[in-house]
Amino acid sequence: SQQGEEDPQALSIQEGENATMNCSYKTSINNLQWYRQNSGRGLVHLILIRSNEREKHSGRLRVTLDTSKKSSSLLITASRAADTASYFCATDDAGNMLTFGGGTRLMVKP
Amino acid sequence: GAVVSQHPSWVICKSGTSVKIECRSLDFQATTMFWYRQFPKQSLMLMATSNEGSKATYEQGVEKDKFLINHASLTLSTLTVTSAHPEDSSFYICSARRGAQETQYFGPGTRLLVL
Repeated sequence: SQQGEEDPQALSIQEGENATMNCSYKTSINNLQWYRQNSGRGLVHLILIRSNEREKHSGRLRVTLDTSKKSSSLLITASRAADTASYFCATDDAGNMLTFGGGTRLMVKP
Repeated sequence: GAVVSQHPSWVICKSGTSVKIECRSLDFQATTMFWYRQFPKQSLMLMATSNEGSKATYEQGVEKDKFLINHASLTLSTLTVTSAHPEDSSFYICSARRGAQETQYFGPGTRLLVL
């Protein structure tokens, strides 16, 4: 079963705007990871944030983690049309198993 | 890098036939490989975990006799969908990792359509 929910399920923005996606989970985690999936393709690993970290940056990506609220957010700044994809969070428990959220479908309009 | 390939990328078969999907780690040895299934507009659901040289561990609700998994080497795992039915039509994705606490690297997926 899925670990948690992603919010929103779908997001449509204009190029240049920022996109924020949220992920909530239910159990204790070792780390939380964000992935991107283009339509009908495999997953691309974006960023991993460990349970003892609160924020992490990678290029235009900013991830936060609040373990007290069991939630994480992914911010994509200055979005581009090429960012159009589905974004999934996945939690890694101590057993190194990944459990995926429902995903957010992002559309960036040029 | 860490590249994982899958073959075939898509397959169409008749109901009742068996289909084999291969997952290969191209530039690293994978002690563990994972098989996921993804229905349209849904998330990935873990089907099973396979460790090289041992039997796969299946998630609840996944029939081990229907989805045969073999992880015979450190670079290859296969998933065989036996006696496929239209409801087995889905996107099957594998992932591989070098060892515990390591990142999972995902294959490009295999789209199965059972007529």
